[in-house]
Amino acid sequence: GAGVSQSPRYKVAKRGQDVALRCDPISGHVSLFWYQQALGQGPEFLTYFQNEAQLDKSGLPSDRFFAERPEGSVSTLKIQRTQKEDSAVYLCASTSVREVSEAFFGQGTRLTVV
Amino acid sequence: GQQVMQIPQYQHVQEGEDFTTYCNSSTTLSNIQWYKQRPGGHPVFLIQLVKSGEVKKQKRLTFQFGEAKKNSSLHITATQTTDVGTYFCAGRGGSNYKLTFGKGTLLTVNP
Repeated sequence: GAGVSQSPRYKVAKRGQDVALRCDPISGHVSLFWYQQALGQGPEFLTYFQNEAQLDKSGLPSDRFFAERPEGSVSTLKIQRTQKEDSAVYLCASTSVREVSEAFFGQGTRLTVV
Repeated sequence: GQQVMQIPQYQHVQEGEDFTTYCNSSTTLSNIQWYKQRPGGHPVFLIQLVKSGEVKKQKRLTFQFGEAKKNSSLHITATQTTDVGTYFCAGRGGSNYKLTFGKGTLLTVNP
């Protein structure tokens, strides 16, 4: 596709509900990142994939957060038993392996837990 | 872990005034990138700096990477209303893949 696509754009979840956020990266991009952005803050690293391998998940805030990229393309970030503090914009970014490996971000999913 | 600090948090200027945001890393960086995020939008890549002491220009924007590769700055000359947004620096450390973002500087411009 032309850019990184994320869905849904907005999600309202009741506390305790499970949610799944989807990211469709730019075709051919090997690297995929998930970031969490709270209001007025910078993106905080959650996890990193190189193809289907999850090489770094050090930023996942708790074991309620789980990410996968089974075929090295589309990725899903799942949050179980959502809590109010999970409310944020979840950004997905993909990069190529060129020398200037800028991150191309999707529009993000704004998650509100009520 | 690696931390990236950015100041100021907010900057309000009159159109035509200059603007500068500063970025400092707790560790030496392999490279640093700058992004702009418009209100309600997503971060968009502006530039990458790799070499110690590097200076790059894009029209009215000037980017610098410090000699020790631990700090960077973005300077905008003669701001315009189209410059409004949050400017983030993002550093890569030894791992060379993880981008650590600063908290950003929100720039507002009074026409």
